[in-house]
Amino acid sequence: GAGVSQSPRYKVAKRGQDVALRCDPISGHVSLFWYQQALGQGPEFLTYFQNEAQLDKSGLPSDRFFAERPEGSVSTLKIQRTQQEDSAVYLCASSAQAGNQPQHFGDGTRLSIL
Amino acid sequence: TQLLEQSPQFLSIQEGENLTVYCNSSSVFSSLQWYRQEPGEGPVLLVTVVTGGEVKKLKRLTFQFGDARKDSSLHITAAQPGDTGLYLCAGGPAGNNRKLIWGLGTSLAVNP
Repeated sequence: GAGVSQSPRYKVAKRGQDVALRCDPISGHVSLFWYQQALGQGPEFLTYFQNEAQLDKSGLPSDRFFAERPEGSVSTLKIQRTQQEDSAVYLCASSAQAGNQPQHFGDGTRLSIL
Repeated sequence: TQLLEQSPQFLSIQEGENLTVYCNSSSVFSSLQWYRQEPGEGPVLLVTVVTGGEVKKLKRLTFQFGDARKDSSLHITAAQPGDTGLYLCAGGPAGNNRKLIWGLGTSLAVNP
């Protein structure tokens, strides 16, 4: 389809393992965002790319979290040495131009750390 | 730091009732966006308002942007069970490199 695609939809990992979450934004969209969302709450900002440049990573909770978008399209959010508190839904969104414009979201990856 | 306060956080009403959700800030936004999210899915944009005092209608939903572009409201008339979901407001600060500021969301349950 033409929307934002995230994979996997569900991920279960043991504490201490590394995980990688993928986001395919809408083709041609300049801006890409990662959010973390707890049940019933709004999305919490993690990081923001404009093309391949990571303009803002102030929301990443620790140095175990790393995001990249090397060619300005697909992005990967990596979490190293996962902890139970990392369990959440991770949402990816893209927007056509600037970061303050309406965003199109994927359906998220639900991460569960055992 | 810009903040966007959204209220109420939770709302449970009967089918046919009216309701209003508010988003307030001390900061001025160039735009205010409203999203709706259903379980297991990502948020979906409902509307964007950009002009102070602007009112937009989407069927039974009425969105208003405050005159000073610091606040917004979403009013639902005669709520239906299909309106159940998480409603999110997001403010767009001026500037192309700025990111959206999100409210915490309003979880709405409309009971038949």
